[in-house]
Amino acid sequence: DTAVSQTPKYLVTQMGNDKSIKCEQNLGHDTMYWYKQDSKKFLKIMFSYNNKELIINETVPNRFSPKSPDKAHLNLHINSLELGDSAVYFCASSQVSGGASFFGPGTRLTVL
Amino acid sequence: DAKTTQPNSMESNEEEPVHLPCNHSTISGTDYIHWYRQLPSQGPEYVIHGLTSNVNNRMASLAIAEDRKSSTLILHRATLRDAAVYYCILRDSRSTGGFKTIFGAGTRLFVKA
Repeated sequence: DTAVSQTPKYLVTQMGNDKSIKCEQNLGHDTMYWYKQDSKKFLKIMFSYNNKELIINETVPNRFSPKSPDKAHLNLHINSLELGDSAVYFCASSQVSGGASFFGPGTRLTVL
Repeated sequence: DAKTTQPNSMESNEEEPVHLPCNHSTISGTDYIHWYRQLPSQGPEYVIHGLTSNVNNRMASLAIAEDRKSSTLILHRATLRDAAVYYCILRDSRSTGGFKTIFGAGTRLFVKA
């Protein structure tokens, strides 16, 4: 009965490839997020998706594209992977208006 | 964006209370104060949040200063499993997207047996 799940847990790939990370939440939350945690452990929000409205962080390269087939899923697709994309990516969900966020276990992406 | 300031690390003995401070002098009236913790190789875990009044839950207590410019997370009896990085962040209740949420360096809590 995992609240927020992500697949895969580990992803190792070559530079230039395209990859996707999947996220699902069974909490009935309206908002889902993608965060990136870099090597210095800073966790930064990349996207949020609230009731079919995508809010994009403009500092994120457009090689990253989130897709939400329904309220319970927010997948992350990355085109033309670069070395600097190596990080741990966390999916999260919350109700609207400042409520608690629940995070997935993370996907460690390594680009060679 | 309102920022938070936390000590880099703190140490506690097992079974003793721990007070983790956070300064947020530029907090706005619509910002909620959130605390999360992250154990090694895991995703952040929600601990507690509040707006103005002190809050208690099964994990911890949150004491919020009257002027809201600082807060303290209180773990009543530290256990070895509480060793983690604790993040204090502000979330604007008007923002549906959490767009500007950035977790800082946090406080690394060491618990000694």
